Amino acid sequence: DTAVSQTPKYLVTQMGNDKSIKCEQNLGHDTMYWYKQDSKKFLKIMFSYNNKELIINETVPNRFSPKSPDKAHLNLHINSLELGDSAVYFCASSQGTADTQYFGPGTRLTVL
Amino acid sequence: AQSVSQHNHHVILSEAASLELGCNYSYGGTVNLFWYVQYPGQHLQLLLKYFSGDPLVKGIKGFEAEFIKSKFSFNLRKPSVQWSDTAEYFCALGNTGGFKTIFGAGTRLFVKA
Repeated sequence: DTAVSQTPKYLVTQMGNDKSIKCEQNLGHDTMYWYKQDSKKFLKIMFSYNNKELIINETVPNRFSPKSPDKAHLNLHINSLELGDSAVYFCASSQGTADTQYFGPGTRLTVL
Repeated sequence: AQSVSQHNHHVILSEAASLELGCNYSYGGTVNLFWYVQYPGQHLQLLLKYFSGDPLVKGIKGFEAEFIKSKFSFNLRKPSVQWSDTAEYFCALGNTGGFKTIFGAGTRLFVKA
């Protein structure tokens, strides 16, 4: 009965490849997020969608493109992967933009 | 600009010791404040939150935090830590008007058994 789920859990790929990470929430929330957590555990917001509309787009390279087909899903596509993209990517959701965020289990991306 | 500062990056305690993790924020408006915990290899989960009312907030697993508006602080406390409290702790500031919750850099707590 997972609230926020992400797939895949692990992703190992070569530089230059394109990959996608999927996120789904079954909490009925209207806001979803993508965060990047580096090796020092620093958590950085990348994108946020509210009711399928992009409301936060931090200074993230254009190679990263989020897509929200509906309120329950927020996917992240990454083109031309680079070594520096290696990190754990967390999806999260909340009701409104200022309330508790519920995080997914994370996707550990390793770019070789 | 809004910001969250966590003073201690690494804290090492023995079991049964008392814990206080500092968190200061910078924002002049109404705030929502959170503490999240990330156990090793897991995702972040909410420990406690403050929106309004009693500035002393109690959370799960015996944690509490006190909102002191005059000091722009929201410190996390626990009177007696356990080995299972070993984790990364994040303070976060919401309701900044920019639709963005701002997370602190985190404090890594290691509790020696």
